[in-house]
Amino acid sequence: AQSVTQPDIHITVSEGASLELRCNYSYGATPYLFWYVQSPGQGLQLLLKYFSGDTLVQGIKGFEAEFKRSQSSFNLRKPSVHWSDAAEYFCAVGPAPYNTDKLIFGTGTRLQVFP
Amino acid sequence: DTGVSQNPRHKITKRGQNVTFRCDPISEHNRLYWYRQTLGQGPEFLTYFQNEAQLEKSRLLSDRFSAERPKGSFSTLEIQRTEQGDSAMYLCASSSTAIQETQYFGPGTRLLVL
Repeated sequence: AQSVTQPDIHITVSEGASLELRCNYSYGATPYLFWYVQSPGQGLQLLLKYFSGDTLVQGIKGFEAEFKRSQSSFNLRKPSVHWSDAAEYFCAVGPAPYNTDKLIFGTGTRLQVFP
Repeated sequence: DTGVSQNPRHKITKRGQNVTFRCDPISEHNRLYWYRQTLGQGPEFLTYFQNEAQLEKSRLLSDRFSAERPKGSFSTLEIQRTEQGDSAMYLCASSSTAIQETQYFGPGTRLLVL
């Protein structure tokens, strides 16, 4: 069965530091991969997505992610974190190419940013 | 484009009562999804519609849960005889059927069952 693992439940960084959030997936075919961000009490906002092509994808708010098929990973990165980036981050996988009927989410990583 | 909207944003109810939530998708989107998110977890798929047809239901969707999308526009999710375990955030998302579709989420309805 498809699954998504986010190994880090909680990460704390200082403002201005670099960030990498890990995501590993288990999927039998080429996946569609997503990163969403959720602020407290809010819905999910799409940061970026990977469907095919260039394995390094750029998203909003200065985030990027790299798809590594050999490692079944899709890690999210940002070179310099801002205090407003404090939120919960979810990695998700779609079930099949051209068919994102349902997304399978990881359990999320909560990011805390210290000034 | 006003995004996906959900009402109410918060609902407190007593165990055994029925509740209904509404989702209005992005206007040109013909797919609509419901997810449930409990504390400390990622969203879990419940069901989805393409136009007015309900195409898939998760085993999480017990017979106390029913979802409709009667005219292929807004959708309602009803929970009958609520239980404390139903307390969660209920998220709605919509997408088009175009290639490389993306699901866009609403703000969610937070349900607390006392």
